Amino acid sequence: ESVLTQSPGTLSLSPGERATLSCRASQSVSSTYLTWYQQKPGQAPRLLIYGASSRATGIPDRFSGSGSGTDFTLTISRLEPEDFAVYYCQQYGSSPPVTFGGGTKVEIK
Amino acid sequence: QVQLQESGPGLVKPSETLSLTCTVSGGSISTYYWNWIRQPPGKGLEWIGYIYDSGSTNYNPSLKSRVTISVDTSKNQFSLKLRSVTAADTAVYYCARDFTMVLWGQGTLVTVSS
Repeated sequence: ESVLTQSPGTLSLSPGERATLSCRASQSVSSTYLTWYQQKPGQAPRLLIYGASSRATGIPDRFSGSGSGTDFTLTISRLEPEDFAVYYCQQYGSSPPVTFGGGTKVEIK
Repeated sequence: QVQLQESGPGLVKPSETLSLTCTVSGGSISTYYWNWIRQPPGKGLEWIGYIYDSGSTNYNPSLKSRVTISVDTSKNQFSLKLRSVTAADTAVYYCARDFTMVLWGQGTLVTVSS
């Protein structure tokens, strides 16, 4: 079973700072099948990054994804007030077909 | 544009069956994978399972013994049944399209309580 472990659990930063979020897989994941979502309270998740590094439609270029194999990273270059939220990585294609990481909360310091 | 909407009872008694429907509007249910995902209050996302328009399914092993997902292409809907529920099944339930989930429903809270 493919398990995704996200770290840190909580990231306390100020607006304008850089955020680096990690997603580690217990088994190698094809970059094609690694995605990132943002979720704000009371809302459904929103797709940010697919294929490990491609931004979804309408996603600002301050969001970037990178990585391969078992280690993936979501970077927010300069935090805007609306970026404080919970972020999830997700893989598909392994067994089980879909798994999510536990999430990283980016909170205002 | 395509929209998803979950519907069903917001309260289910322990040991009973949770039943939800996701209605796809503004587009066809055909040729896509359709997922159910849930999120307990204050916790992370858990994938429940998917169905393809042909009716083929795949479920999370942790829930497989209790879950059935079905599709009604004539109504552009797919459904979730979760049997023998307990308080641990209390969650917001979402439907979403495909594995790169750009399209989500708004979610519906289901509480398991007597």
